[in-house]
Amino acid sequence: SQQGEEDPQALSIQEGENATMNCSYKTSINNLQWYRQNSGRGLVHLILIRSNEREKHSGRLRVTLDTSKKSSSLLITASRAADTASYFCATDWGGAQKLVFGQGTRLTINP
Amino acid sequence: EAGVAQSPRYKIIEKRQSVAFWCNPISGHATLYWYQQILGQGPKLLIQFQNNGVVDDSQLPKDRFSAERLKGVDSTLKIQPAKLEDSAVYLCASSSSGHEETQYFGPGTRLLVL
Repeated sequence: SQQGEEDPQALSIQEGENATMNCSYKTSINNLQWYRQNSGRGLVHLILIRSNEREKHSGRLRVTLDTSKKSSSLLITASRAADTASYFCATDWGGAQKLVFGQGTRLTINP
Repeated sequence: EAGVAQSPRYKIIEKRQSVAFWCNPISGHATLYWYQQILGQGPKLLIQFQNNGVVDDSQLPKDRFSAERLKGVDSTLKIQPAKLEDSAVYLCASSSSGHEETQYFGPGTRLLVL
């Protein structure tokens, strides 16, 4: 079963706008990660946030984590055409190095 | 640093045939993963190796799927016989041991079963 669920399933915005994607999960976690997948390619790790962290930044990316609500959000600021991709959240499972992925959000940046 | 290598990139077979995928992880990475990603879904873990031992294969359909990592480096995933529902992208990933939690993914093998 998949631990995380992303919302929305698809998002289309204009270049330069901000994009926000949300992820909800079901069980306790040690960390949550976000990955990007360009069409026909493998996944690329974007950012990891630990359960004792509330917010983390990396360049134009901002991730928040609310463990009380079992949810996380990924904000991409000043979007670019190259940000067009699918974005997945992944949580650890049982403390092992095992990731469980959500269904993903398909982001399209329109020029 | 070279990334995770996978081959072939694409494979088309008929149902009931067999197929094998190969993965070479990042040098020095002890942990290797195989995922299945069906179109429109997130990757699902099939099997996880730590060196040449299996850590988790709870979601591997063992009646038709097998995987090995004999020397603790590269790995092979086999499907025999293939079914239509096996059409998917098969992703290999690796991570270093210990507290490393980031996984590094290869480009994947796209399998189409006709």
